Amino acid sequence: DAMVIQNPRYQVTQFGKPVTLSCSQTLNHNVMYWYQQKSSQAPKLLFHYYDKDFNNEADTPDNFQSRRPNTSFCFLDIRSPGLGDAAMYLCATSRSGGYTFGSGTRLTVV
Amino acid sequence: SQELEQSPQSLIVQEGKNLTINCTSSKTLYGLYWYKQKYGEGLIFLMMLQKGGEEKSHEKITAKLDEKKQQSSLHITASQPSHAGIYLCGSTMKGSGTYKYIFGTGTRLKVLA
Repeated sequence: DAMVIQNPRYQVTQFGKPVTLSCSQTLNHNVMYWYQQKSSQAPKLLFHYYDKDFNNEADTPDNFQSRRPNTSFCFLDIRSPGLGDAAMYLCATSRSGGYTFGSGTRLTVV
Repeated sequence: SQELEQSPQSLIVQEGKNLTINCTSSKTLYGLYWYKQKYGEGLIFLMMLQKGGEEKSHEKITAKLDEKKQQSSLHITASQPSHAGIYLCGSTMKGSGTYKYIFGTGTRLKVLA
């Protein structure tokens, strides 16, 4: 089935150690999004790609970077994770108004 | 201020009671989506509304879109403990140059048995 897959489902990383979360899609959607959702809060948009065009939200910390090497894959890199970066990270894709979400990666920083 | 504001922020109701959650936009809405989320889990798509005045129902949940008011409401009839969770609205918004998809502030619902 066509879908959005996030790996891993749970990620534990050490304080300050770079970590990469991945998202892949089989939908051939041209737009991909990354959201951060902290406990008891709504998902917050970090950035999105419209095809290869990268769009960063103004308040996304520099600590967060993203790569989209091709249509199918998108990565979220956290250069130096802090305790405050522990959250659920959601990936989503869209094309012509239809949106599909991955199951999310829960990041724990120790 | 938030572009998509939900009210109330949290809600506790007795089982069997009706309830309404509102989602208000500061900008023109290009469609409005409703999701439900259990703690620590992914999003469950509920409904999508695209046209002003549109109303959709699924089981005991009804959603309406008022484009003029830039608002949508989600109504649950005869609530059950299984309705408990976080309800999120989402919409496409025009950012600086591109469109982006953002979520409302969320409403946490608890249903007492």
